[in-house]
Amino acid sequence: DSGVTQTPKHLITATGQRVTLRCSPRSGDLSVYWYQQSLDQGLQFLIQYYNGEERAKGNILERFSAQQFPDLHSELNLSSLELGDSALYFCASSDQAGGPDTQYFGPGTRLTVL
Amino acid sequence: GDSVTQMEGPVTLSEEAFLTINCTYTATGYPSLFWYVQYPGEGLQLLLKATKADDKGSNKGFEATYRKETTSFHLEKGSVQVSDSAVYFCALSVAGRRALTFGSGTRLQVQP
Repeated sequence: DSGVTQTPKHLITATGQRVTLRCSPRSGDLSVYWYQQSLDQGLQFLIQYYNGEERAKGNILERFSAQQFPDLHSELNLSSLELGDSALYFCASSDQAGGPDTQYFGPGTRLTVL
Repeated sequence: GDSVTQMEGPVTLSEEAFLTINCTYTATGYPSLFWYVQYPGEGLQLLLKATKADDKGSNKGFEATYRKETTSFHLEKGSVQVSDSAVYFCALSVAGRRALTFGSGTRLQVQP
C-alpha cells in the first residue's frame, strides 16, 4: 500500500460527458502528479501540482483540468469525453524534500467511455 | 526531449532463470533513473532507483546499474519466481522537470 488513494476505482460513462477523478496523496506529501496509461500512448504525464499551485504541464488536453485543494487532495476533471479518453488514470505523490524525486502511485481509476 | 526505450515483450522465462530487461535513455539533463513494477490490476510500485553514474539500485533480488557511458539502466535478477510476473517500466526524471518519463513497459511471464 503506497498510501495514495484514488476514487473511484472504475468509472463508466458516455461520450460528451464530464467526470471528476479524485486523489489523496500520502500524508505530508505536497506534490501531486497525474498520469494517463493507455494501450496506444503508454504512460504519459499530464500535470503536476505542488502545495496548491500548478507546477508543470505535460500532454494534457484542453478538455482536461485539475486542481489541488488546501487539504492537498487533487481532482482531475475530464470533459467532453471521447472514446479515446478511455484509459487508466494514475495519481502519484512525492514530498519533494530534496534529492531524487521518488513518486508513490495510487491504484488508479479505470475510465471507460462508451 | 527526454525518452526511454525498453526491450519489447513479453519475456517468458522458466522459474529460476536469469532475467535481463534492457533499458536505454536519452535526457537533456542529468537524470535519476527508476524501475517501477505493475502487478495485474494494481498501480505502479517503485522497485529500485539510482541517482548518479555507477550507482547500483537493488531490491527484492533485482538490480540495475546506472551506466552513463552507454546511457543504460538494465534490470537483472539472478533467479526469477512465478510471483515476479508483472509489467516492468523503466523511467527517468531530470532535476527541474520532476515528472517521470516512462518506457513502454516490458511484460514478464514466469512459468513454473
